Amino acid sequence: QVLLQESGPGLVKPSETLSLTCAVSGDSVGSSPYYWAWIRQSPGKGLEWIGTLYYSATIYYSPSLKSRLIISVDMSTNELSLRLSSVTATDSAIYYCARRASRLREASFDYWGRGVLVTVSS
Amino acid sequence: QSALTQPRSVSGSPGQSVTISCTGTSSDVGAYNYVSWYQQHPGKAPKLIIYDVDKRPSGVPNRFSGSESGNTASLTISALQAEDEADYYCCSYAGDVNFDVFGTGTKVTVL
Repeated sequence: QVLLQESGPGLVKPSETLSLTCAVSGDSVGSSPYYWAWIRQSPGKGLEWIGTLYYSATIYYSPSLKSRLIISVDMSTNELSLRLSSVTATDSAIYYCARRASRLREASFDYWGRGVLVTVSS
Repeated sequence: QSALTQPRSVSGSPGQSVTISCTGTSSDVGAYNYVSWYQQHPGKAPKLIIYDVDKRPSGVPNRFSGSESGNTASLTISALQAEDEADYYCCSYAGDVNFDVFGTGTKVTVL
């Protein structure tokens, strides 16, 4: 059984940096053949892919967020991390981490965390 | 990269069937036969119900089925039940730059 648990501050001020972690158990983020992704959902809105990490060295970023986004993995703690800089109110959302299929072209996410709500406000 | 297009809502009575469309382009849905579908109840994380266009993960009822034709994928829920009332999202790989793209989401209402 793979479990994912997101954590981070629920409130971030505009222009600051949002930092989230995703603790994974039941699989190894840095050495698993699966991809690992961050996905967000603005209040009352749909799902938005943010970025995906593969074997700790290959990272895909959403073109719309790429200039502000860093995704990384801490293999010692088996945690996936997200840092989004210069946040605005439009970055307010529930942030999910999820395990993605091991084949590059197979966009399916079989395990999800419960999500963490982040609000950007002064 | 634009989101895949889904109808905002569909509805049906218990026992009926409903179909949700997911329209993309030749750069995503039409290029890769790997569309997936997710069910999301209020306040919950999405749940994978279809992958690789028409495959069901273990534990997903066979009332859920998927198909694809050209740039459009479809999810059909047969024998609709009250617990099927939820939001549904499709997802497709869209190449090395845009990577994964989700649909706009469809709210299914059981009348």
